[in-house]
Amino acid sequence: DAGITQSPRYKITETGRQVTLMCHQTWSHSYMFWYRQDLGHGLRLIYYSAAADITDKGEVPDGYVVSRSKTENFPLTLESATRSQTSVYFCASKPVNTEAFFGQGTRLTVV
Amino acid sequence: QKEVEQNSGPLSVPEGAIASLNCTYSDRGSQSFFWYRQYSGKSPELIMFIYSNGDKEDGRFTAQLNKASQYVSLLIRDSQPSDSATYLCAVNTGFQKLVFGTGTRLLVSP
Repeated sequence: DAGITQSPRYKITETGRQVTLMCHQTWSHSYMFWYRQDLGHGLRLIYYSAAADITDKGEVPDGYVVSRSKTENFPLTLESATRSQTSVYFCASKPVNTEAFFGQGTRLTVV
Repeated sequence: QKEVEQNSGPLSVPEGAIASLNCTYSDRGSQSFFWYRQYSGKSPELIMFIYSNGDKEDGRFTAQLNKASQYVSLLIRDSQPSDSATYLCAVNTGFQKLVFGTGTRLLVSP
């Protein structure tokens, strides 16, 4: 199916565990983004990528790692999950100078 | 100072009224501006985008941009209860980094 998909949709993990959230887009958009959304904070940018192998930090990158070996994939890894990383995570992709398209979101709970 | 600022609301308007949502941004190099709507538990979806100073109309929605004042607004005419949602302002900065405001919650009462 064409579009942008995130997996898993829901995840519960324990404090200290490593967890990876997946994002896949079929449009070959250059830019991809990871946001987290928490009540009162809106969408905060974690990392973004301009192309394969080009990534940069956003507003809240601490505790997260990204990679982009292929244009279509942009996984987000929490190296050692903490309760403060409980959130809804959105992946998005966009071409140059147009709007971004969002995945369905991943609801992550760290216990 | 946050890069994109919005009043969190809620903004309450009666059905049929005009809802006015506002957003300011800090990066003068920003080139394009977007309004997204987000229903509870859903992903953001694009309503409108605007690149040039002035007004842009699409149905009941009008986006307004003033680059000198670093100000973007969204007007919703003839507001409907189905318009009740959170409206997110997004700014495409000079490096194509898309930054969002915290969103304004709109409540339209029948």
